[in-house]
Amino acid sequence: NAGVTQTPKFQVLKTGQSMTLQCAQDMNHNSMYWYRQDPGMGLRLIYYSASEGTTDKGEVPNGYNVSRLNKREFSLRLESAAPSQTSVYFCASSTVEIGRAEGTQYFGPGTRLLVL
Amino acid sequence: KNEVEQSPQNLTAQEGEFITINCSYSVGISALHWLQQHPGGGIVSLFMLSSGKKKHGRLIATINIQEKHSSLHITASHPRDSAVYICAVTSGSRLTFGEGTQLTVNP
Repeated sequence: NAGVTQTPKFQVLKTGQSMTLQCAQDMNHNSMYWYRQDPGMGLRLIYYSASEGTTDKGEVPNGYNVSRLNKREFSLRLESAAPSQTSVYFCASSTVEIGRAEGTQYFGPGTRLLVL
Repeated sequence: KNEVEQSPQNLTAQEGEFITINCSYSVGISALHWLQQHPGGGIVSLFMLSSGKKKHGRLIATINIQEKHSSLHITASHPRDSAVYICAVTSGSRLTFGEGTQLTVNP
């Protein structure tokens, strides 16, 4: 099993460009998440999907949109990238949604995004 | 003040030393997680606990719900333990992360 995969690994964008970060998991997990990690700050939740067909905002959703394409795939879209969105983005999945004590999260390798 | 505070922020140890990383939180939680982030960036879940103590190999995690405090211990530390260790708490539908503790174990 590949676990959680993310593409691309690295990306450089100019301000105003758009792009989609892809995430897929092969563990048959119901819940999927997108986080960003910035220096001096903990991981912060952007959006999550508790189950196929549902998505909810996290702590820092502004400037992002998501699509839960099917049970395996959860994509994150930046419609008009800004330098403040320079970060490392992690996708994660779990068998159950946040709030359930048994919800161990499995993380992808991350995508490093630089917005100039 | 962050809801999840870790100490120390940075820790340097010699191989073989016993290591303790602390995590304090200020909200009611249903679970606490310890994660390890490798130098290459990958994040691995080490423990998830809601009470007591868990052990996996040389790693031990404890939690005191009344004191809102958890510790991660590493026995007989090794250079391959060098990583960032992250504490996170589940509260309602939120998972809140600490900033992490950078551990360096020298040979």
